[in-house]
Amino acid sequence: EVQLLESGGGLVQPGGSLRLSCAASGFTFSSYSMTWVRQAPGKGLEWVSAIGGSGATPYYADSVKGRFTSSRDNSKNTLYLQMNSLRAEDTAVYYCAKYRGYSGSGDWFDPWGQGTLVTVSS
Amino acid sequence: DIQMTQSPSSVSASVGDRVTITCRASQGISSWLAWYQQKPGKAPKLLIYAASTLESWVPSRFSGSGSGTDFTLTISSLQPEDFATYYCQQANSFPLTFGGGTKVEIK
Repeated sequence: EVQLLESGGGLVQPGGSLRLSCAASGFTFSSYSMTWVRQAPGKGLEWVSAIGGSGATPYYADSVKGRFTSSRDNSKNTLYLQMNSLRAEDTAVYYCAKYRGYSGSGDWFDPWGQGTLVTVSS
Repeated sequence: DIQMTQSPSSVSASVGDRVTITCRASQGISSWLAWYQQKPGKAPKLLIYAASTLESWVPSRFSGSGSGTDFTLTISSLQPEDFATYYCQQANSFPLTFGGGTKVEIK
């Protein structure tokens, strides 16, 4: 069974940094692209970043480009999201998700982790 | 960036009703579209991908159609477990984008 477990969320002051982790199990982690999606309280889904199985050339939403960095450690089956220069509008539940299929078969996601809440506030 | 516009933003329906949700892309995305179902407090679940392919767990009362810019998610006979929020997502190009969501509520 595929399992994704996010961690690292919490309360951080504006301008601060946080690193989220997503521990994966139940599949060959290095064979799949992974993604981060966030959801502000009471709002819709916002795609944040995607990264290929090798970790090369992550993609980012314009809203986080230059501030957030996706990476992965395939030896540890773990996905990371380094978040710097955090703003109040980054407050959200952050989900990691596995791409449903192999590279080239579509950028859709299944399954998702349970999410971790990031609150940016002074 | 490709904008995804869902309508309606909410719909109130009864068990047994037929419900249709539309999703419009700001430019053509072929069939690179997914639908997700999210229940309160839970992570989203992939419902349909490639515009019309149902995930294995999805009942046949759900269907997806469309290509290009206009897409539809239809629930032919709404069941109690279908009350949720539904999101479309384009997978044509980065940045990937979601629609604003449609909340299906009990009438």
